[in-house]
Order: sequence, then C-alpha cells, then structure tokens
Amino acid sequence: EPEVTQTPSHQVTQMGQEVILRCVPISNHLYFYWYRQILGQKVEFLVSFYNNEISEKSEIFDDQFSVERPDGSNFTLKIRSTKLEDSAMYFCASTGQGSIETQYFGPGTRLLVL
Amino acid sequence: AQKVTQAQTEISVVEKEDVTLDCVYETRDTTYYLFWYKQPPSGELVFLIRRNSFDEQNEISGRYSWNFQKSTSSFNFTITASQVVDSAVYFCALSPGSSNTGKLIFGQGTTLQVKP
Repeated sequence: EPEVTQTPSHQVTQMGQEVILRCVPISNHLYFYWYRQILGQKVEFLVSFYNNEISEKSEIFDDQFSVERPDGSNFTLKIRSTKLEDSAMYFCASTGQGSIETQYFGPGTRLLVL
Repeated sequence: AQKVTQAQTEISVVEKEDVTLDCVYETRDTTYYLFWYKQPPSGELVFLIRRNSFDEQNEISGRYSWNFQKSTSSFNFTITASQVVDSAVYFCALSPGSSNTGKLIFGQGTTLQVKP
C-alpha cells in the first residue's frame, strides 16, 4: 500500500542552524501539508501546498519557514534559523485529487534544537 | 471560530471494557469533515475514519464505532471490548469546508491506557 515517507526520522541541530525536512508524498497525490506536534501537545497545521504554491499557512508559519517541491516526488520544509521552540515532531501529509479527502500522514521527523 | 475540544485528557480502562472518547467541535460552516486519528506510542498518525457533515449515520468497524450528532456538535468514538493494543493517543480533527485547502484542526487528544 502506498505511503508517505519522511527523512530523517530524527534530527538534532544547534540553534540558529538551517534544517531541511524531507517528505515523499503518495505518488498520485496533489495536496501536501506540513504539521507539527510539540511534545505532549496537539498536532498543529503549518502549511498546505497545491499546484506548486502555498495555498494556506498558519500563524506559526512565519518567514523562518519555507516549503518547496523541488522535483516530482519530494516535498521539503526548510527552517532557516532554528530556535529552541522549533523542537517538535514534524509530520508531512498528502491527499489525492481533492483537498477534502483523507490526509495520510508520514511517520514524522523528530527535530531537537539545542 | 473553528475548534475541536477533547475534554478527556487521559482515560484508563481494564482490558475488555468499553470506552468512549468524546469530541466536540465548533464551526460555522455547513460543510465540514470530521476525522479520528490514532497515535500509538511509536508516534505515527493512523487514519481511522472520515465523516462529512451531511452524513449523520453512525458507523461501525469491528470493535470501533462512531456516533455523529450535529445537534450537539459531537463526534464520539467508542471502542468495544478494549485491548492493550488500543493504548494510544486519539485525536479528533475538523476540516472546515470554508478552507478549500483541507487543513485539519486537531483537538488536544485523549490518551487511552488499556491495562491487562
């Protein structure tokens, strides 16, 4: 069964460093998302991406964040200058032909900023 | 405001007991979608069910059942004859129809512990 994959599974970085989190959505999906989950808290929407552009973003998704679909398969989240409070689990998700369809999530990348 | 409330932070039951996880949502949209996801200790988010606002039929899938009531803005989830493997955090989520991007608004989650 097709699934969303994410790399790396864990990343440790120093405050102020740039990180890139990678996702490979399900191959025929068109809508892509990033969410984050601070330890012990709820899952929060960051950004949605469709047709090679951001379709919606949350207040969390400030200028430090960017997303890109550099090729036909990868979907990346970049944090330019990480802060301690960026430590969280980051989930990528994708849906098929319609934005209101079920979102399937990847296994997540646990980011720790020291 | 668009919001999901899962008032039960933690629930602990003994195996084979039935347990109901509550979910109350707020939205002014007439079209919306509701979801339940399971997050086991390994951390991934596992899709359980999707329901649209026009379909109030209750659903049963094995030991799982869902009760959707628009009159009380609730979408509760019941596990019958719980098992240790059901131990996880369960999230209810709302996708407002006014957001044509499909973003999900999650509740705080309910941690279910099933003891042997």
